[in-house]
Amino acid sequence: GAGVSQSPRYKVAKRGQDVALRCDPISGHVSLFWYQQALGQGPEFLTYFQNEAQLDKSGLPSDRFFAERPEGSVSTLKIQRTQQEDSAVYLCASSHRTGRDPEQYFGPGTRLTVT
Amino acid sequence: QQQVKQSPQSLIVQKGGISIINCAYENTAFDYFPWYQQFPGKGPALLIAIRPDVSEKKEGRFTISFNKSAKQFSLHIMDSQPGDSATYFCAARVTGGGNKLTFGTGTQLKVEL
Repeated sequence: GAGVSQSPRYKVAKRGQDVALRCDPISGHVSLFWYQQALGQGPEFLTYFQNEAQLDKSGLPSDRFFAERPEGSVSTLKIQRTQQEDSAVYLCASSHRTGRDPEQYFGPGTRLTVT
Repeated sequence: QQQVKQSPQSLIVQKGGISIINCAYENTAFDYFPWYQQFPGKGPALLIAIRPDVSEKKEGRFTISFNKSAKQFSLHIMDSQPGDSATYFCAARVTGGGNKLTFGTGTQLKVEL
């Protein structure tokens, strides 16, 4: 079946522009995560949804970052007034709820470059 | 604050050799330790995972060794192949803590012929 998809795959934004990154999780997956991966680093947690509820947003670096999942499926990560330090790959992951250790399935990411 | 420390940063191994990557953690609340493999342009993919109630887990050529008292765990890749060339990340998670993963900084593995 289809995995997690993300769009766009690449995004170039001028400093100060707003961007919106989309994540389509695996159908039926309850949990959805956003991570930020800087060049040469491991992914860092940004936020977590269970269905449409945003249960943890402790990793969002500033109030310029906003995420939503209004119908409990597709999610959008929005970054307002982009800065150069926002340049990174933004990864989305989803998991089902059942099982002791539900595996997180990652999408290919969106590479954001802020110029 | 880096809660999971990973080494080495890069590793070159000859085909057929053993690749060893090490991680150490600080948060004793972590109770699930997965390893992820990432190829360029792709998202991380789960390779193998362990819980601290066992000291070793083996799946094919991949083995996790876990030392709870030392708060360390490692990935061993036996009979390393050129197709194993990728970046490997250790991670840790607190079950029930929203299941968010805390990743190490990654090890870039190159397996040479």
